[in-house]
Amino acid sequence: QKEVEQNSGPLSVPEGAIASLNCTYSDRGSQSFFWYRQYSGKSPELIMFIYSNGDKEDGRFTAQLNKASQYVSLLIRDSQPSDSATYLCAVVGGSQGNLIFGKGTKLSVKP
Amino acid sequence: NAGVMQNPRHLVRRRGQEARLRCSPMKGHSHVYWYRQLPEEGLKFMVYLQKENIIDESGMPKERFSAEFPKEGPSILRIQQVVRGDSAAYFCASSPPTGWSYEQYFGPGTRLTVT
Repeated sequence: QKEVEQNSGPLSVPEGAIASLNCTYSDRGSQSFFWYRQYSGKSPELIMFIYSNGDKEDGRFTAQLNKASQYVSLLIRDSQPSDSATYLCAVVGGSQGNLIFGKGTKLSVKP
Repeated sequence: NAGVMQNPRHLVRRRGQEARLRCSPMKGHSHVYWYRQLPEEGLKFMVYLQKENIIDESGMPKERFSAEFPKEGPSILRIQQVVRGDSAAYFCASSPPTGWSYEQYFGPGTRLTVT
């Protein structure tokens, strides 16, 4: 059974700091990785995806992938209170593209 | 630039009734995925459809649940004889037809409450 693990948090950081969110996955063959943000009562919003080892930057967000360690992370620089949400890590579960999600890490950015 | 649309946004059903949830994918997207999010739990895959085809239904409960994506019109997730345990948020996601990226974009969801 393919699994995705995340620390449930809550992770609390002060405004302006770097928030670091981590995720591990069980299937060594996984190729595609996604980070979604979900505000309470809302739907998941795709914020980053990464397929290759290394870093991928998009604005204040950086995704990091290490396939050898089966580890993917999301860094949020200059965290804002509006970043307070649950962050979901997802990997493609099979050849048909369905996503396997972690349970999410709740991030709280304190003003 | 319409995104994924779902309706209704909220649905209340009594035990034993039927629930029908609708999903229209983003323009240009032909792949539809349904996920369920139970309270305090993660998102779980249910079914993957393309027009007129169920591609993967490995996450669907064996009984009472069915899905379709007809040639014309939205995808429909149907739950017969609902029970309290079906109360959850049901999300539809769509992805474009080409490539291997599997990026999925979610609709606003349908919150189903079974009383």
